[in-house]
Amino acid sequence: EVQLVESGEALVQPGGSLRLSCAASGFTFSTYAMHWIRQAPGKGLEYVSTVTSNGGATYYADSVKGRFTVSRDNSKNTLYLQMGSLTTEDMAMYYCARGSSQLYFDYWGQGTLVTVSS
Amino acid sequence: EILMTQSPATLSVSPGERATLSCRASQSVSSNLAWYQQKPGQAPRLLIYGASTRATGVPARFSGSGSGTEFTLTIGSLQSEDFAVYYCQHYNYWPPPWTFGQGTKVEIK
Repeated sequence: EVQLVESGEALVQPGGSLRLSCAASGFTFSTYAMHWIRQAPGKGLEYVSTVTSNGGATYYADSVKGRFTVSRDNSKNTLYLQMGSLTTEDMAMYYCARGSSQLYFDYWGQGTLVTVSS
Repeated sequence: EILMTQSPATLSVSPGERATLSCRASQSVSSNLAWYQQKPGQAPRLLIYGASTRATGVPARFSGSGSGTEFTLTIGSLQSEDFAVYYCQHYNYWPPPWTFGQGTKVEIK
């Protein structure tokens, strides 16, 4: 059974940093692209970032480019999102998702909450 | 960037009735369109990919259609567990970013 479990939930001050993790199991992690998607309170889904299966390429939404860094450790079956220069606009539930071979998001984690407040 | 527009924002339907949700892309996405269901307090769940293929375990009352810029998600006979928010999303090119529609909330009438 495919499982994705996010962690790193925290309350962070504006301008602060935070690292989220997503532990994967039930599939061969190293063969799938992985993604982060977020959802602000009461709002819709917003694409955040992608890392290819071998970690060789990364992609970002314009809203986080230059502030967030996605990475993965295939030896630990874990996806990461390093977040910096956080603002209240980054406050959201962050989901990791597996990318299918046809690019859509076929499995999602339960999410981890990032709160940005002074 | 391709914009995805869903309508209506809210759909009020009685249990057992049919629900029809629309998603429009600002330019052609071929059949590279997915639908996701999100219940309150839960993560999104893949329902439909390739515009019309049901994901594993999705009941047959869910069907998707369309191609190009116009897409429809139909729920044949609404069950209590179907009241949720539904999002469309294109994945028409690599690399991302890809965009989601703003969602349609299906509520009990």
